[in-house]
Amino acid sequence: AQSVTQPDIHITVSEGASLELRCNYSYGATPYLFWYVQSPGQGLQLLLKYFSGDTLVQGIKGFEAEFKRSQSSFNLRKPSVHWSDAAEYFCAVGEDGNKLVFGAGTILRVKS
Amino acid sequence: EAGVVQSPRYKIIEKKQPVAFWCNPISGHNTLYWYRQNLGQGPELLIRYENEEAVDDSQLPKDRFSAERLKGVDSTLKIQPAELGDSAVYLCASSPPWDRYGYTFGSGTRLTVV
Repeated sequence: AQSVTQPDIHITVSEGASLELRCNYSYGATPYLFWYVQSPGQGLQLLLKYFSGDTLVQGIKGFEAEFKRSQSSFNLRKPSVHWSDAAEYFCAVGEDGNKLVFGAGTILRVKS
Repeated sequence: EAGVVQSPRYKIIEKKQPVAFWCNPISGHNTLYWYRQNLGQGPELLIRYENEEAVDDSQLPKDRFSAERLKGVDSTLKIQPAELGDSAVYLCASSPPWDRYGYTFGSGTRLTVV
């Protein structure tokens, strides 16, 4: 079975600073990879996804992620964080049958 | 376009009581999912429907959980009887046939069992 590891439970960054959230996955073939964001009391919103092709993926809200096969990683980045980015972020990998396997999430706090 | 609608948003029940959650997916989305999200964890799939057929219910605790999707549209997830460990957020999602992983999630139902 596939698995996703998000090593950081909490991350705090200053507003305007850059951000990188880490994600590692285990999967034998080329994975389908996703990043979702969840604000309190809200459902999950898709930020970006990688299926194939260019390993640098652009998403919504200024986020990007880079697929690195050699490191089994799919880290999420943003060059300048805004206070409204404070939320919980989930990395996920797609399994057969449209199933998503999620990591445990990283809570982002933004300090002004 | 309306999103995935779930009700209720919050539910507090005593242990051993029954509870039901309702989900209305996006029109045209033939695949419907129920995920459970425990505190501090990512969502985990409970059951997946293709139209009215449950095609993956391997993670559904069938001794106390049941689900149905009548006419391939709305779905209901039931727990009877509820246990303290069932406290979690129950998320419904749907996806269309032309976008295999094109999930849209509802806002979830937060269940507290006391």
